[in-house]
Amino acid sequence: GAVVSQHPSRVICKSGTSVKIECRSLDFQATTMFWYRQFPKKSLMLMATSNEGSKATYEQGVEKDKFLINHASLTLSTLTVTSAHPEDSSFYICRAPSAGGGETQYFGPGTRLLVL
Amino acid sequence: GQQLNQSPQSMFIQEGEDVSMNCTSSSIFNTWLWYKQDPGEGPVLLIALYKAGELTSNGRLTAQFGITRKDSFLNISASIPSDVGIYFCAPLEGNEKLTFGTGTRLTIIP
Repeated sequence: GAVVSQHPSRVICKSGTSVKIECRSLDFQATTMFWYRQFPKKSLMLMATSNEGSKATYEQGVEKDKFLINHASLTLSTLTVTSAHPEDSSFYICRAPSAGGGETQYFGPGTRLLVL
Repeated sequence: GQQLNQSPQSMFIQEGEDVSMNCTSSSIFNTWLWYKQDPGEGPVLLIALYKAGELTSNGRLTAQFGITRKDSFLNISASIPSDVGIYFCAPLEGNEKLTFGTGTRLTIIP
């Protein structure tokens, strides 16, 4: 069946560096992907909608210059956390809807980011 | 903006007990989804609801779509250890935008 992968699964970086997280749809095309952030014991918060071939749409309060999203192909969206700080440490999950949308949503396994 | 509240925040129950949780929104939705998340993993779909008043079951899970389309309920009967986790309601906006409730953390006391 359809699968969404994320890479890396875990990353530790120093404060001030940038980290890129990849989200791939493995056997289907996704013109739209969604990025979520989840702090410990909290809900998944939608950060942005990644649109293939056009600019991402960011949710209110999410800094677009801090969280750069690129959706260069129909199977890959990347989220880059620029100049990471310890407060950016979180669990980042991507989601890709199936062609039909609705209940069929494919989530990546998540990326745990720790900024020291 | 839309507000989505889920209650209770956490539950501590004994194995075999039934569980009820609910989700309310300030907005109307046409589709409600319920997910379960285990630590360090992505959420897994449990039940999907499409019609106001609809009652749907999936094994020991039963969910209802509120008549007003602003709320939904999830019940788990005869809880077992693998039910431990966080449960999220997630109404679907349009066909793709999915927002998650605040979550209900279920713990089973030995």
